[in-house]
Amino acid sequence: GESVGLHLPTLSVQEGDNSIINCAYSNSASDYFIWYKQESGKGPQFIIDIRSNMDKRQGQRVTVLLNKTVKHLSLQIAATQPGDSAVYFCAELSGANSKLTFGKGITLSVRP
Amino acid sequence: NAGVMQNPRHLVRRRGQEARLRCSPMKGHSHVYWYRQLPEEGLKFMVYLQKENIIDESGMPKERFSAEFPKEGPSILRIQQVVRGDSAAYFCASSKTATNEKLFFGSGTQLSVL
Repeated sequence: GESVGLHLPTLSVQEGDNSIINCAYSNSASDYFIWYKQESGKGPQFIIDIRSNMDKRQGQRVTVLLNKTVKHLSLQIAATQPGDSAVYFCAELSGANSKLTFGKGITLSVRP
Repeated sequence: NAGVMQNPRHLVRRRGQEARLRCSPMKGHSHVYWYRQLPEEGLKFMVYLQKENIIDESGMPKERFSAEFPKEGPSILRIQQVVRGDSAAYFCASSKTATNEKLFFGSGTQLSVL
């Protein structure tokens, strides 16, 4: 069946370095993608989104890249800070009436 | 501008009891979604409601689970005769439009079944 999945379960980075979190999706009909951040004991927090007619979108310290050819989504965090430590989820949407489908999540750990 | 409010934050029930989880969407949002999250898992869709209507309940177990979003008051996720496997974090999200984009999540209710 269709699924959204992440390549690595955990990622450890040094404070100040850039982080890259990758996500693969299998539903070629998906046309909207979101990255969420979830801190311990909290609900997912919207970070950035991208539509399928774009291949890159930038926010504050974050960039999302979409490669539809290989069905790959990535989240880049510049100058990673301790406050970025959390679980990150990619999610996809295929059509206005579909459900947001979440990947399994990857833990980002920032070393001081 | 309060966000999505869920209560209680933690709920402990014994097997066979009922669990009622409440969710008040963000102001101006009339679309509510319930998701379940098991430890170290992603969020799994359960049900999508609009005021007084269930739009999509394809993720809800056929038995024991029900949801409502009345004209007045919060949305309620109800689990009857809870079993240990119901232990999970239950998140509610809301959106302003029906496009299911940019969902805003509450802090969740952690249900523990003893």
